[in-house]
Amino acid sequence: NAGVTQTPKFQVLKTGQSMTLQCAQDMNHEYMSWYRQDPGMGLRLIHYSVGAGITDQGEVPNGYNVSRSTTEDFPLRLLSAAPSQTSVYFCASSPGTMNTGELFFGEGSRLTVL
Amino acid sequence: RKEVEQDPGPFNVPEGATVAFNCTYSNSASQSFFWYRQDCRKEPKLLMSVYSSGNEDGRFTAQLNRASQYISLLIRDSKLSDSATYLCVVTGSYNKLIFGAGTRLAVHP
Repeated sequence: NAGVTQTPKFQVLKTGQSMTLQCAQDMNHEYMSWYRQDPGMGLRLIHYSVGAGITDQGEVPNGYNVSRSTTEDFPLRLLSAAPSQTSVYFCASSPGTMNTGELFFGEGSRLTVL
Repeated sequence: RKEVEQDPGPFNVPEGATVAFNCTYSNSASQSFFWYRQDCRKEPKLLMSVYSSGNEDGRFTAQLNRASQYISLLIRDSKLSDSATYLCVVTGSYNKLIFGAGTRLAVHP
C-alpha cells in the first residue's frame, strides 16, 4: 500500500519559474492538504481540500494554486517561484471529510529557489 | 505570540532516562491535541492523541492541562530509537491543525 506519494523529492528552480508538486493517495481519503516546513517554524497549512472539486486556503496560500479533480490527486502549483518559497513541502491526507487529527504525510518535496 | 510554542531543545539524555516535553497553546477553544514524531529529514507521523484525563501508550504518557493551556509528553526508559523531533499539534479555528515547531530529542548510549 503506497499511502501518500509526492513527486519530485527534490527540485531546484530559478526565480520566476513555475512548477507543480504532485501528490497522490490510494487510501480513498476525502481530506487532503499541503504544508510547508521551514526551520524554527511549525508546519504551515498552504491549501486544503475536503473532497473532489472543493479546495480552500490555509494559513499561507499566496503564490500557490491547487485543484482537486479526483479524490486521489491534489497537485500544488507554484505560479512564479520566489526565494521565499524555498522550503520542504508535505502533502497529507486524512480519512473522512474533516480533519480528525490523524494526518498521513508523504515523504516531502525539498524545493530550492535561486 | 505563536499559537503553539515548544522548547526547541535539543534535549540530550542517556539511554534509560526519563524525559518530559511541554507545549503551550494560545487558543482556549482548542478541542483536540496530539503529539507527532518526525525523524530527521522524514515526514511527521502521529505518535499519540492527548485526552483530557491523560493517557499512556507503552513508555509514553501524554497529559493535558486545559486551565493552564499546556500539553506534556513523558518518555520513560528512553531508547536510542526515540531520537527524533516531537511536534505538539492542536486544533485551531475550523478544526484545522496547528503545529508547533518541535522539540528535538537526542538519546545517547
